[in-house]
Amino acid sequence: QKEVEQDPGPLSVPEGAIVSLNCTYSNSAFQYFMWYRQYSRKGPELLMYTYSSGNKEDGRFTAQVDKSSKYISLFIRDSQPSDSATYLCAMRLDYGGATNKLIFGTGTLLAVQP
Amino acid sequence: SQTIHQWPATLVQPVGSPLSLECTVEGTSNPNLYWYRQAAGRGLQLLFYSVGIGQISSEVPQNLSASRPQDRQFILSSKKLLLSDSGFYLCAWSVWGIRSGANVLTFGAGSRLTVL
Repeated sequence: QKEVEQDPGPLSVPEGAIVSLNCTYSNSAFQYFMWYRQYSRKGPELLMYTYSSGNKEDGRFTAQVDKSSKYISLFIRDSQPSDSATYLCAMRLDYGGATNKLIFGTGTLLAVQP
Repeated sequence: SQTIHQWPATLVQPVGSPLSLECTVEGTSNPNLYWYRQAAGRGLQLLFYSVGIGQISSEVPQNLSASRPQDRQFILSSKKLLLSDSGFYLCAWSVWGIRSGANVLTFGAGSRLTVL
């Protein structure tokens, strides 16, 4: 079983739709949870991160962590064609240093149709 | 502000040829540096990381090596490329303590390597 599972998609939605992207994980000790957005042929860029459980909102984006279910979500409201990208979830344990490696999901490809 | 540069952006190399990908970071000191490889449908695979000059940790046995000759320079190399080395290579940096200790990674734009 992979440590982090993510549906690869592709996910195609019409402009203005609410998008839900999800990851499940197996290691209950993960504490930091991140979402990266990666446009085609570009490096990933950090979109949001959360610590432990709860919700975090930034504009049209909401990150949600449910540690009891080992499940994280990213919601995109009023989706735009510019949101079309691959979304990668990532997570790590709660200690410092480079040896605390980030574990990535395989990414979900999202296409927002105008 | 911090920036990360990675080059070349695209590279086509024959099997058996050498490889050198370079990455430099500006605007920060003593960063942790990383090399990842991204293959379609397989996510990001950590290849090497470095916590300081001359300090390299390898995550997977492979045909590649890494070096850190300067604080903000990270190089990925191979003496003889294999077909299986084709992929999208990403350099990243982090500094512990930024953003409430999340130690988040900031990635470069990537280098796409095709081995023929």
